Order: sequence, then structure tokens, then C-alpha cells
Amino acid sequence: KAGVTQTPRYLIKTRGQQVTLSCSPISGHRSVSWYQQTPGQGLQFLFEYFSETQRNKGNFPGRFSGRQFSNSRSEMNVSTLELGDSALYLCASRLLAENNEQFFGPGTRLTVL
Amino acid sequence: GENVEQHPSTLSVQEGDSAVIKCTYSDSASNYFPWYKQELGKRPQLIIDIRSNVGEKKDQRIAVTLNKTAKHFSLHITETQPEDSAVYFCAAPWGNTPLVFGKGTRLSVIA
Repeated sequence: KAGVTQTPRYLIKTRGQQVTLSCSPISGHRSVSWYQQTPGQGLQFLFEYFSETQRNKGNFPGRFSGRQFSNSRSEMNVSTLELGDSALYLCASRLLAENNEQFFGPGTRLTVL
Repeated sequence: GENVEQHPSTLSVQEGDSAVIKCTYSDSASNYFPWYKQELGKRPQLIIDIRSNVGEKKDQRIAVTLNKTAKHFSLHITETQPEDSAVYFCAAPWGNTPLVFGKGTRLSVIA
């Protein structure tokens, strides 16, 4: 079974731009979560989508948004990029919202100049 | 909210020795405790997890122990090898948040 995939793997943007990242979960998994990983803050939860609905959201500004499609693929969008948004963005999928085991994708490395 | 504290932040051991990483959590309702290993430039990989109905779980050289009363859990790696060198993260769920992560422990196994 193929693992979680994310595109693109690397991205360079400038301040003020917006960016869209994509995540395809493991086949059959319906829940997709997004995390931001930085050296200073570690792994921080952004939001989770299950059956096309946002289930929970972490403590991030409204510039960070996401959505999920009927095939469980998910996208996250960051608008008005700031230098501090430079990070590794990881998505993780799990079978159901009640199933704890999460499996991570390889991440998208976003650099904001 | 859930707070997961992880210690130590760095750990160096000689090859063949054991390594222990400890985490504490604050939400007594948490019932699932995974450990992830992240090698440089790679994704976090789930290496072992434990649920609140057991106190210990082993998988070859890796074991996790859980003390629900004290709200702490630990990762034990025996007979460490150079390929065990990585950053290890503990985590726990909180409410509808799937996982809250500790800050990570950078383990270096010296050959």
C-alpha cells in the first residue's frame, strides 16, 4: 500500500505571496492532519480534516487554511506569507478519526524569502 | 491544553549501551502514547506506541513503559546501534487534537 505523499517537496516563496500544499493520504484513510515543524517550536498541530470537514484547529492565524476533497486528498493554503512561515509542513493520515495511529508524509519544505 | 514535556533534549550513548527518553503529559484523559523516530531529512516514523490499558510494550530492542498515575511514559532502547541515531518524539492526544508532540530528543550513538 502506498504511503502518504505530499507535493511539492520544496517551495521557495517571497513575503506576501500565498502557497498551496497538497497531501494524498494512505488509500482508505479518511483523516488528514497537518503539522508545522520548525527547529524552535517543534511539531505543532495546524488542523485535521475528516470526511471533508475540519475537525479541529490548532493555534495558528487565519492565514492558514485547508480543505479536504471527497477522495480524502487535502490541501493547505497559507496566504500573505511571512518569514516566520518558513518550515517543514507535514501531513499525516489515519484510518478514522477514532483511530490513533498516524502516518506521516515526507513533508514540504517551505522557504519564505 | 495538553502539555507534553520530553527529556532530555540531547542524549549521547556509546554503541551497545541503553538509552532512555522520558515524557510527561498533563491530560489524564489521554489514552494513546506513540513514539516517532525522525532521521535527518526524513519523515517522522512511528516506531512503537502504547495504550492506557497496558503498562509496558516491547518490540525487539525497543520498549515503552507507561505510568498513568504519574502521567509519564518512557522509551527504552537497548543495545543501541549507530542507526538508532535520530530525533525521537513522544506524543499524546488531547481532545480532538490527534497528537500533541514533545520537543524531541536528539540521540547520538557513538561507535
